[in-house]
Amino acid sequence: AQSVTQPDIHITVSEGASLELRCNYSYGATPYLFWYVQSPGQGLQLLLKYFSGDTLVQGIKGFEAEFKRSQSSFNLRKPSVHWSDAAEYFCAGAFSGNTPLVFGKGTRLSVIA
Amino acid sequence: DGGITQSPKYLFRKEGQNVTLSCEQNLNHDAMYWYRQDPGQGLRLIYYSQIVNDFQKGDIAEGYSVSREKKESFPLTVTSAQKNPTAFYLCASSTRALTEAFFGQGTRLTVV
Repeated sequence: AQSVTQPDIHITVSEGASLELRCNYSYGATPYLFWYVQSPGQGLQLLLKYFSGDTLVQGIKGFEAEFKRSQSSFNLRKPSVHWSDAAEYFCAGAFSGNTPLVFGKGTRLSVIA
Repeated sequence: DGGITQSPKYLFRKEGQNVTLSCEQNLNHDAMYWYRQDPGQGLRLIYYSQIVNDFQKGDIAEGYSVSREKKESFPLTVTSAQKNPTAFYLCASSTRALTEAFFGQGTRLTVV
């Protein structure tokens, strides 16, 4: 079955430290992949997307993600985290035909001083 | 400004009552979706519609109903058959499948 897994439920990082959030997918081919961010009580905002081509994708707010086919992964990274980055992050995949996006369960990011 | 509008932002209902959540988009998107969000559960798909007058059940459709009479509108009714309706509901739209979805700000429904 097609699925998206985010192994980390909650991550805490210090302000100014680097960040990597993990995302793995299960699918027989290469899906379209997305990262979203959600602040408390708000909707989801698209950070970046991967359809094909260059495996390193740049997004908004200084985020980037790298697609690795061999590891079925699409990890999100940021070199230096700001306190305003504290939020919930969702990885999603679009797999085939007319099926809607499939979301991971999310990773909550806390940022400490 | 183009976007997706969900209303109301907060909704309180008594147990046993049906309630309808509104979702309107002016992005001219063909596809619209309803997701339910509970803590630790991520987003679960309730219903989706790829075209006017057509919709499909998602993973957790029981106790919910939808209609798609207009391209820009996709209301969700939470019926009394839904066993645990208290949740955060998100509406989204996209130009078509296999593209990114754009989300509304959500409706928090509390049933007492």
